[in-house]
Amino acid sequence: EVQLVESGGGLVKPGGSLRLSCAASGFTFNHYGMNWVRQAPGKGLEWVSFIRSSSSDIYYRDSVKGRFTTSRDNPKNSLYLEMNSLRAEDTAVYYCARVVYGDYVYYGMDVWGQGTTVIVSS
Amino acid sequence: DFQLTQSPSFLSASVGDRVTITCRASQGISTYLAWYQQKPGKAPKLLIYVATTLQSGVPSRFSGSGSGTEFTLTISSLQPEDFATYYCQQLNSYPLTFGGGTKVDIK
Repeated sequence: EVQLVESGGGLVKPGGSLRLSCAASGFTFNHYGMNWVRQAPGKGLEWVSFIRSSSSDIYYRDSVKGRFTTSRDNPKNSLYLEMNSLRAEDTAVYYCARVVYGDYVYYGMDVWGQGTTVIVSS
Repeated sequence: DFQLTQSPSFLSASVGDRVTITCRASQGISTYLAWYQQKPGKAPKLLIYVATTLQSGVPSRFSGSGSGTEFTLTISSLQPEDFATYYCQQLNSYPLTFGGGTKVDIK
């Protein structure tokens, strides 16, 4: 079964750090680009970051540039999101999501994890 | 950034109704648009990609059309399991952006 499972969410104080993980199974992980997408409580979806299958290109939304770092470990079938200098507005459910075809992000995201919740509050 | 405006934001409909949701892009995005369905507490589900292609396993009552700046998602005959929130997403350029969502509720 094709599956993504996120972990690492929790409660953190403003200015703190957190590392999210996404474990992939059931498909050849190193063939696919991956995304992080978040959803604040009661709000819509917000794309956070994309990483190519080889890690050769990584993109971020402006509001997280310089604070968040996306990486992957292909032999471990894992995707990561390192989050530093966290703000209240980073509070959200964070999803990892697979690109439909290889690194061709144009086709959208067909496999999603169940999400992990990050709460930034003092 | 490419902005996406969905309309309506909220839609009340009955089982069997034909439902159309519109997504307008602030600039041309060719056909690099996807539609997702999300139910409360669940991850989004891909319905349509490159504007018109039905994702494997998605019922044929869902269809997508459009190119450039105007796109539509149509549900030909609304079923009980279709009551959810629907999002469009542009994949033409970074940052990838989503529309604000359309909640489809039971009339």
